[in-house]
Amino acid sequence: DADVTQTPRNRITKTGKRIMLECSQTKGHDRMYWYRQDPGLGLRLIYYSFDVKDINKGEISDGYSVSRQAQAKFSLSLESAIPNQTALYFCATAGIGETQYFGPGTRLLVL
Amino acid sequence: AQSVSQHNHHVILSEAASLELGCNYSYGGTVNLFWYVQYPGQHLQLLLKYFSGDPLVKGIKGFEAEFIKSKFSFNLRKPSVQWSDTAEYFCAVRNDYKLSFGAGTTVTVRA
Repeated sequence: DADVTQTPRNRITKTGKRIMLECSQTKGHDRMYWYRQDPGLGLRLIYYSFDVKDINKGEISDGYSVSRQAQAKFSLSLESAIPNQTALYFCATAGIGETQYFGPGTRLLVL
Repeated sequence: AQSVSQHNHHVILSEAASLELGCNYSYGGTVNLFWYVQYPGQHLQLLLKYFSGDPLVKGIKGFEAEFIKSKFSFNLRKPSVQWSDTAEYFCAVRNDYKLSFGAGTTVTVRA
């Protein structure tokens, strides 16, 4: 969905490096989410934010941090990447209707 | 803790066959239910959703789902699949503004 964009789309990094994944949305939604997708596990929530001043941990927040720079931007950081953080990462947004709209995903490989 | 179970990991069927994917959840309160589809190499897209009202919900591309409260189920159906329905399908349950996803079911439709 072009309304939710993620950069980069693909990233290869080394263990111990700090990386940032960025998400932007033009839907005007207050709520934003970061998920990771692993084969056989579905999507698991990392962090979520209901507005610029609100940050909440999801079920698997360890090793990650986020920043909500503006209503439209929500970044995910891996402070010191490790191989088991290799996954497909999705950003999503939701408005009052609660349907979540997903970005195209970032495929991350940690060597 | 809330959980979402999808009964089948991988389903293989021929074009024109009928499809039914099972989804059960464990949360006992008021729920909102979703089915998302992920086509190969693409992001998640909403197929259909149930918030209230008629428990038989119709979505895009000929899909429908039935909410059975007594069985904590929200099964997805399509009477006649096409090759283009090859994708991964995720059931999700919304609770407290967060989505919990099932592990996903990969559907392969053979021409």
